[in-house]
Amino acid sequence: ETGVTQSPTHLIKTRGQQVTLRCSSQSGHNTVSWYQQALGQGPQFIFQYYREEENGRGNFPPRFSGLQFPNYSSELNVNALELDDSALYLCASSFGLARNTGELFFGEGSRLTVL
Amino acid sequence: GNSVTQMEGPVTLSEEAFLTINCTYTATGYPSLFWYVQYPGEGLQLLLKATKADDKGSNKGFEATYRKETTSFHLEKGSVQVSDSAVYFCALSDSGGSNYKLTFGKGTLLTVNP
Repeated sequence: ETGVTQSPTHLIKTRGQQVTLRCSSQSGHNTVSWYQQALGQGPQFIFQYYREEENGRGNFPPRFSGLQFPNYSSELNVNALELDDSALYLCASSFGLARNTGELFFGEGSRLTVL
Repeated sequence: GNSVTQMEGPVTLSEEAFLTINCTYTATGYPSLFWYVQYPGEGLQLLLKATKADDKGSNKGFEATYRKETTSFHLEKGSVQVSDSAVYFCALSDSGGSNYKLTFGKGTLLTVNP
């Protein structure tokens, strides 16, 4: 069984640039969620994709956008990068909406540094 | 809105010591509660969960009881090992809506020395 994989693992960008982060969900999972984890903080929910549609969004501006593909892999795009976007971006997959199981399977994350 | 408050870390213990990491929450409705663990160099993993009041979640010697009256979900282990060194996150789920998201605490770094 293949786990959740994310790429790239580390990257450095400058203010104003755009970035795309990628996530391959665990085999058999059709739901992907993205979280932002700033240094010393817990993960914060960005949005969730279920069967290729956005299915909920946290308190993040529209310059954070995403996609889910037919194979359930996903991308997180961030435009007009700001210094505060520096963080670890976590992808989590599950089968269905995992409402009460809490069983989200996380990747190791992509660490973004904005200079 | 929903929120989770965990005890500040870092926590440093000797092997075989007793562990408690406090967690309290604020939520509307009836959330499910979780502890996730992040070992060095790995992604977050679900450690245990409880979905209703008075439920006790347990796994790998860790336990936590869902206390609605005190809005708490404290993590305990009777005898920690060096391999338990990790960051522990308390989290809750939204109880309503069509999507599913977790609200996390800030995390508590545990270091266990031999």
